[in-house]
Amino acid sequence: SQQGEEDPQALSIQEGENATMNCSYKTSINNLQWYRQNSGRGLVHLILIRSNEREKHSGRLRVTLDTSKKSSSLLITASRAADTASYFCATARDSNYQLIWGAGTKLIIKP
Amino acid sequence: NAGVTQTPKFQVLKTGQSMTLQCAQDMNHEYMSWYRQDPGMGLRLIHYSVGAGITDQGEVPNGYNVSRSTTEDFPLRLLSAAPSQTSVYFCASSFRGETQYFGPGTRLLVL
Repeated sequence: SQQGEEDPQALSIQEGENATMNCSYKTSINNLQWYRQNSGRGLVHLILIRSNEREKHSGRLRVTLDTSKKSSSLLITASRAADTASYFCATARDSNYQLIWGAGTKLIIKP
Repeated sequence: NAGVTQTPKFQVLKTGQSMTLQCAQDMNHEYMSWYRQDPGMGLRLIHYSVGAGITDQGEVPNGYNVSRSTTEDFPLRLLSAAPSQTSVYFCASSFRGETQYFGPGTRLLVL
């Protein structure tokens, strides 16, 4: 069963605009992670936010976590063509060993 | 460092055949896992290992076997391939089960 659900399933924006993706989950978590997958390739880790954190930044990425609503958002500012990819959230429960994944958001950046 | 490597990159099997997907990592990570990714879905955990000699089942273990005789290697065996096992398989490793590093994937087609 999938823990996380990303919203929207697909997003198409102009280069330079900001992109926001959301992730909702069902049970309590230890941390939440965001990954990027370029077409046909392996996933690349973007950012990890722990359950006691509310916001985290990494370059053009900003992640928020609201444990009361069981949701997280990923904001990519000043998008570039190279940001075109699928983005997945994954949640880790107490053990930290098993990640439960959402179905992903497909982001297309139009030049 | 090569990171996480997977072989083969692509494989075609006939129903009932068996095969082993290879995965190796050179980062001395204790945690390794196998996922499958099907169209429109997130990753689903097949098996994982928290160290040499220790393995456990994930969400979808049926039809697959694993072993972990060394820290570096974590092969996935398909015992008797079925069309439902057509998928893209990813191996991942991590230190303490947090940020996961993924291999490039193996595309498997079962006829």
